Amino acid sequence: QVQLQESGPGLVKPSQTLSLSCNVSGGSISSVNYHWTWIRQHPGKGLEWIGNIYYSGTTYYNPSLKSRLTISLDTSKNQFSLKLTSVTAADTAVYFCARGDLGMVPGPFDYWGQGTLVTVSS
Amino acid sequence: YEVTQPPSVSVSPGQTARIPCSGDKLGDKFACWYQQKPGQSPVLVIYQDTRRPSGIPERFSGSNSGNTATLTISGTQALDEADYYCQTWDNNIGVFGGGTKLTVL
Repeated sequence: QVQLQESGPGLVKPSQTLSLSCNVSGGSISSVNYHWTWIRQHPGKGLEWIGNIYYSGTTYYNPSLKSRLTISLDTSKNQFSLKLTSVTAADTAVYFCARGDLGMVPGPFDYWGQGTLVTVSS
Repeated sequence: YEVTQPPSVSVSPGQTARIPCSGDKLGDKFACWYQQKPGQSPVLVIYQDTRRPSGIPERFSGSNSGNTATLTISGTQALDEADYYCQTWDNNIGVFGGGTKLTVL
């Protein structure tokens, strides 16, 4: 059974970097059949696609976050990560990691982590 | 690229709920739908416009044509009360609708 688990600080100071990891179990992050995605949800609001990464290392980012965002793979740990720089209160949200199944073209999110709340505050 | 959903839809138990998602030539793209209950992670209920993942009840169905994708829930049950999000891709960029709160009353 595939499981995804987010980890990282729950509190980040303004102007600092938000760093999260997503540990994947029950499947290989190196598989050509999937992409790996970050999605966030501001309190009481809808879902926002942040970006994703493919096994090849190719990334796609939300244009509104692109200048501050890096998503990377760590195949040795079977994890993928998110780094968002220069955070503000507007980055306070629940952050989800998810798997996109390319077998279900074009890659909907079939497995999700439980989500982790990140608060940006001094 | 943007897709738009109504903020809320209400339906009586046993009736059919229809939740639209609108976007420019959305019918030329694939749409999928997620169900999210309070405090939980979203669950994929429809992908490739019309397909149901394993374990999703048959009462969930989807369509996509022109500028509108629609999630249809037939014989709606109280446990279907949730937020529903449509999602598509535009040049490899993921796009979510704003979500629709389905109330079963």
